[in-house]
Amino acid sequence: QLQLQESGPGLLKPSETLSLTCTVFGGSISSTSYYWGWIRQPPGKGLEWIASIYYSGITYYNPSLKSRVNISVDTSKNQFSLKLNSVTAADTAVYYCARQGAISLRTFDYWGQGTLVTVSS
Amino acid sequence: DIVMTQSPDSLAVSLGERATINCKSSQSVLKSSNNKNYLAWYQQKPGQPPTLLIYWASTRESGVPDRFSGSGSGTDFTLTISSLQAEDVAVYYCQHYYSSPYTFGQGTKLEIK
Repeated sequence: QLQLQESGPGLLKPSETLSLTCTVFGGSISSTSYYWGWIRQPPGKGLEWIASIYYSGITYYNPSLKSRVNISVDTSKNQFSLKLNSVTAADTAVYYCARQGAISLRTFDYWGQGTLVTVSS
Repeated sequence: DIVMTQSPDSLAVSLGERATINCKSSQSVLKSSNNKNYLAWYQQKPGQPPTLLIYWASTRESGVPDRFSGSGSGTDFTLTISSLQAEDVAVYYCQHYYSSPYTFGQGTKLEIK
């Protein structure tokens, strides 16, 4: 059974850099069938896709965040990571990592439990 | 970007009754090359991550009860729960995967009347 687990600091100050890691258990991040993505959800609000990465390093970014975001993959650790710089209170959200289909079916079929990141001075 | 708009924002339905949620995309998510609608539905229960219910607008994910069905094409889509159960209380989201960025609807909160 595939499992994804997010990890990283839960509290940041404005202007700092958010760094999160997702570890994949029960499957290989090097599968040619999947991308690996980050989605966030501000408290009480909807879902926003942030970015996705293929094991080879191919990336897709949401243009609304692209200038501040970097997604990377470490196949040796079966992990992928998210960095979001210059955070503000608007970046307070639950951050989910998820598996995404790589061919035409680009849905998110496995999700981590999510990690709450709060930006506050 | 393709904007996804759901209606209603919230919905209260009696147990055993039908629940219908609508999703409209700002441009067609139907690809002529394969005649498929690049539209998915997710269910999110309180305190949990979303789970994939339906993809290709009408194909149920493995393990999803058959009371859940999806329909529609082009820009207008519907998620129907034929007979509402207590465990169906959740927020439901549509999402397109036609092209990046992959956007979600704002969500529809489904409650028991």
